[in-house]
Amino acid sequence: DIQMTQSPSTLSASVGDRVTITCRASQSISNWLAWYQQKPGKAPKLLIYKASSLESGVPSRFSGSGSGTEFTLTISSLQPDDFATYYCQQYNSYSLTFGGGTKVEIK
Amino acid sequence: EVQLLESGGGLVQPGGSLRLSCAASGFTVSSYAMSWVRQAPGKGLEWVSGISGSGSSTYHADSVKGRFSISRDNSKNTVYLQMNSLRAEDTAVYYCAKSRVPTTVVTDYWGQGTLVTVSS
Repeated sequence: DIQMTQSPSTLSASVGDRVTITCRASQSISNWLAWYQQKPGKAPKLLIYKASSLESGVPSRFSGSGSGTEFTLTISSLQPDDFATYYCQQYNSYSLTFGGGTKVEIK
Repeated sequence: EVQLLESGGGLVQPGGSLRLSCAASGFTVSSYAMSWVRQAPGKGLEWVSGISGSGSSTYHADSVKGRFSISRDNSKNTVYLQMNSLRAEDTAVYYCAKSRVPTTVVTDYWGQGTLVTVSS
């Protein structure tokens, strides 16, 4: 199975900060990568698919980049609603594996 | 409006069985790939099982292979997860999710989840 490694596991930031989360795949997954946001007690929400495509309705301050084995999720200006846990997921091949998650906390 | 409603969770003893259901509305499950994803208390997301849009192919994580089975009933627009030989480590909230478009497996809509607790 393809292993997905996210970093950092926790991130402390302030409103207005630019935030970057990294996800690495154990082998090439082309651009078959998604990013999800999850808030406590809620189901995950799709933000980005195919590494850099913004899901409909998602604010443009979210962006994704990368291909092969290295990917990033960037929030250009952190908003109060963005404090949550973020997960990457590869869908290049089954099993569809998730990264361990990055919790974005208020600094 | 797309909705997914999971049910069937609860408390079960180790070695027992449960069948989770995911009733869909607003779309046809026979046209989309569907997945089950779980989240143990305080832990991250773990993909568990998937079924192709055609229904001809099913996939399972190594951690549940041989114990769990995914299926669907097109007439009821419902997806199921049959879970046998349950272990304590299967304790989690189980979510079902639909693929964003028929030709992919990335998921866009998720249900609210159903809690499975495996304990004696």
